[in-house]
Amino acid sequence: DAGVIQSPRHEVTEMGQEVTLRCKPISGHDYLFWYRQTMMRGLELLIYFNNNVPIDDSGMPEDRFSAKMPNASFSTLKIQPSEPRDSAVYFCASSLEPGGANNEQFFGPGTRLTVL
Amino acid sequence: DAKTTQPNSMESNEEEPVHLPCNHSTISGTDYIHWYRQLPSQGPEYVIHGLTSNVNNRMASLAIAEDRKSSTLILHRATLRDAAVYYCILRDLRGGADGLTFGKGTHLIIQP
Repeated sequence: DAGVIQSPRHEVTEMGQEVTLRCKPISGHDYLFWYRQTMMRGLELLIYFNNNVPIDDSGMPEDRFSAKMPNASFSTLKIQPSEPRDSAVYFCASSLEPGGANNEQFFGPGTRLTVL
Repeated sequence: DAKTTQPNSMESNEEEPVHLPCNHSTISGTDYIHWYRQLPSQGPEYVIHGLTSNVNNRMASLAIAEDRKSSTLILHRATLRDAAVYYCILRDLRGGADGLTFGKGTHLIIQP
C-alpha cells in the first residue's frame, strides 16, 4: 500500500480564497483523522471520521472549516474563506478499528498551507 | 486523555543508547502508553506502545515503571536518522479509537 496520500503537498493562496485539501486513507482503514500543526499550538486534532461518519469535530476552529468523507477512500478539508492565521501544515491520518489497544495511526506527508 | 510531561530537548551521541523519559502521574488503569515520533518535515509515526509490561520492537524498547506513573523510551543505538521530536501519549481505547493528543514532546538531537 502507498500509505496515506495527501494533496496538494504545498498550497499558497490569498486571503479570502477557498482552499480544499485532500486525503486518501490506507485501504481498509475505518478511521480517518485531520490534524493541524503550527509552531504556536503544535499538533491539534481537528476532526475524525469512523466509517465515513464524523464522530468528533470539536477541534474544528470555526465555521470557515468543513470536512467531508463521501466514501471510504476519500476525504476533504475545506477552508472558506481562508485567512493568514490558517497557515499551517495539515496532516491526515488513518487507522483500523482498535484491536489489542494498538490502533496505530498512519500519517500522510502533510499539506503545507500558506495564506497570504 | 491524561497529561504527560517530557523534557523539551535531549542530546545524545551517535551509536549510543538514548533514554527518553515521560511522566504520567495521573494515568488511569485503562490508559495505554504510546510513543510517536516526528522526523523533520514528515508526519508523525508510531514507535511503540505498552500497558504494564516492558515492550520491545524493531525500533525501540519501552520500559514502564511498576506504578505506571512514568515510562522510558529506549533507543538502543541512536543514529542520525533518529533525530526527531518524540511524543509520549496516553490512550484509553475502551470506547473505540479517537484522536491523538500531542504535547510538546522531546526534541532529540543526535551528534555525530
